[in-house]
Amino acid sequence: DSGVTQTPKHLITATGQRVTLRCSPRSGDLSVYWYQQSLDQGLQFLIHYYNGEERAKGNILERFSAQQFPDLHSELNLSSLELGDSALYFCASSVGANNEQFFGPGTRLTVL
Amino acid sequence: QQQVKQSPQSLIVQKGGISIINCAYENTAFDYFPWYQQFPGKGPALLIAIRPDVSEKKEGRFTISFNKSAKQFSLHIMDSQPGDSATYFCAASSFRSTGNQFYFGTGTSLTVIP
Repeated sequence: DSGVTQTPKHLITATGQRVTLRCSPRSGDLSVYWYQQSLDQGLQFLIHYYNGEERAKGNILERFSAQQFPDLHSELNLSSLELGDSALYFCASSVGANNEQFFGPGTRLTVL
Repeated sequence: QQQVKQSPQSLIVQKGGISIINCAYENTAFDYFPWYQQFPGKGPALLIAIRPDVSEKKEGRFTISFNKSAKQFSLHIMDSQPGDSATYFCAASSFRSTGNQFYFGTGTSLTVIP
């Protein structure tokens, strides 16, 4: 158990809908990272937040947004969902902005 | 463009054998190279990591070999066990004060046969 929690574990929704994925980092960790894992794309970095501020952006679609709150939990918002957004979404946390990352168990999103 | 190229895609090894997974990168700014192990239904877990100032790092049965001039690094699993059967990902990152972005390889599915 990495100490990173993610909710929900599974999410099934329809195309065009909007969902919110939640991540609580390990106690004391200031950084949160979001990743998308699909069968054909592997693990893709989406975005990194450090102590509430966006620090790095990867292959994140404009339909997706994220934020980190004062209590350091983070939310990933996915809107106008498409079939291709079906994937596992992981968050990871680390102590600082340049330390080893610890991954949560993931949220499996299925868009029908 | 794949920043980190990983091979092979899948690997079958006999129990007690050596498993070797290779990765190559292009960006010379990368300065942190971790390996992650992922079991079905779980998130990736950090296995071992190396920085480019050393050529080898060993932790138990797991060894990273790093070749800076060739821009390649590899994971060696000695005395492979059935419990090592998992997907392994290499990754590369450039730590910056402004934040870091991790690039992952496409993964290697390892099966260790008893």
